[in-house]
Amino acid sequence: EVQLVESGGGLVQPGGSLRLSCAASGFTVSSNYMSWVRQAPGKGLEWVSVIYSGGSTYYADSVKGRFTISRDNSKNTLYLQMNSLRAEDTAVYYCANSPTDAFDIWGQGTMVTVSS
Amino acid sequence: DIQMTQSPSSLSASVGDRVTITCRASQSISSYLNWYQQKPGKAPKLLIYAASSLQSGVPSRFSGSGSGTDFTLTISSLQPEDFATYYCQQSYSSFTFGPGTKVDIK
Repeated sequence: EVQLVESGGGLVQPGGSLRLSCAASGFTVSSNYMSWVRQAPGKGLEWVSVIYSGGSTYYADSVKGRFTISRDNSKNTLYLQMNSLRAEDTAVYYCANSPTDAFDIWGQGTMVTVSS
Repeated sequence: DIQMTQSPSSLSASVGDRVTITCRASQSISSYLNWYQQKPGKAPKLLIYAASSLQSGVPSRFSGSGSGTDFTLTISSLQPEDFATYYCQQSYSSFTFGPGTKVDIK
């Protein structure tokens, strides 16, 4: 069964760091492009970052220079390193897999709260 | 950057109604348009990809159409489990979601 399970969310102070993980099963994380998408409380969906099968990475302007997407093929896991966190980064963070040109499979999400 | 708009932002409908949601892109995106359904507290679920292709396992009452800048999601006969928020999303250049359309019970 194809599945994604996120972890690593929590409460962090402004300016702090957090690393999210997304463990994949039923497929390999390097076979398709994979993304992080977030949703602030009561708001819509916002694409955050993507890593392509070849390793190229891209970011939304709102997180560029602060967030880093990566993957560990040996652990079949996707990561999002988040530095210099701000209150506006508070959201549920989802990882998603894209075997088609869409976000086909989503994890359950992990909540990140940035607050003092 | 490509901007996405949706109309209406919300609608009230009854079981059995035909529902249409419109999505517009700020520039042509060919058929690189996807539709998602999201229920409260749950992850989004892919319904339609490439503007009109039905994702495996999605009921046939859902359909998508359009190309270029204007797209439509249609639910032919609304069912109780269809009350949710629907998002369009372009994958032509980077990725952008529409603001969402909330479908609730009339």
